Amino acid sequence: NAGVTQTPKFRVLKTGQSMTLLCAQDMNHEYMYWYRQDPGMGLRLIHYSVGEGTTAKGEVPDGYNVSRLKKQNFLLGLESAAPSQTSVYFCASSYEEGPKPQHFGDGTRLSIL
Amino acid sequence: AQRVTQPEKLLSVFKGAPVELKCNYSYSGSPELFWYVQYSRQRLQLLLRHISRESIKGFTADLNKGETSFHLKKPFAQEEDSAMYYCARPFSGGYNKLIFGAGTRLAVHP
Repeated sequence: NAGVTQTPKFRVLKTGQSMTLLCAQDMNHEYMYWYRQDPGMGLRLIHYSVGEGTTAKGEVPDGYNVSRLKKQNFLLGLESAAPSQTSVYFCASSYEEGPKPQHFGDGTRLSIL
Repeated sequence: AQRVTQPEKLLSVFKGAPVELKCNYSYSGSPELFWYVQYSRQRLQLLLRHISRESIKGFTADLNKGETSFHLKKPFAQEEDSAMYYCARPFSGGYNKLIFGAGTRLAVHP
């Protein structure tokens, strides 16, 4: 049982490049989330989804887009990467009856030069 | 604004010493509170939650509504407790969205 799987694990981009981070969960969770983790700031919510076909903004959504075309997948896109987006990105999922704990992936370490 | 505050970036103790990781939250009724832990090279995982009132790996946390605190405690620290600890609470508005504190790194020395 893999739980929450994130790909890729590491990536280096140049400023202005685009990329997509993939999150997949096999627990049939309705809710999914993308966070970024920065030193001294903990985890901050970027976007989240409460079901297939739905997305919503979190605390720090600027510069990111998301899509949830399938219930098990939640994609995070950077259209034009900036150095300020250098961070570790975590995906998480949870059941819908709340409050419920979240299950996290291993993270994606993204560096933008 | 909703906040979770962890005032200590680093807590360094010796093995066998008591540990208390502090967490304060902005008041908003009766919140659900969580402690998550991230061991080196592992994913973030739930350690314990307020509503369960359980002890995990010797850790306990008591909600103090008067002080709006949810401090994590362990009477005798072990080296394997060394990790990053995050206190978290849900955003208002539902959907299990979480607000995290900045985290406290616990270093337990032999």
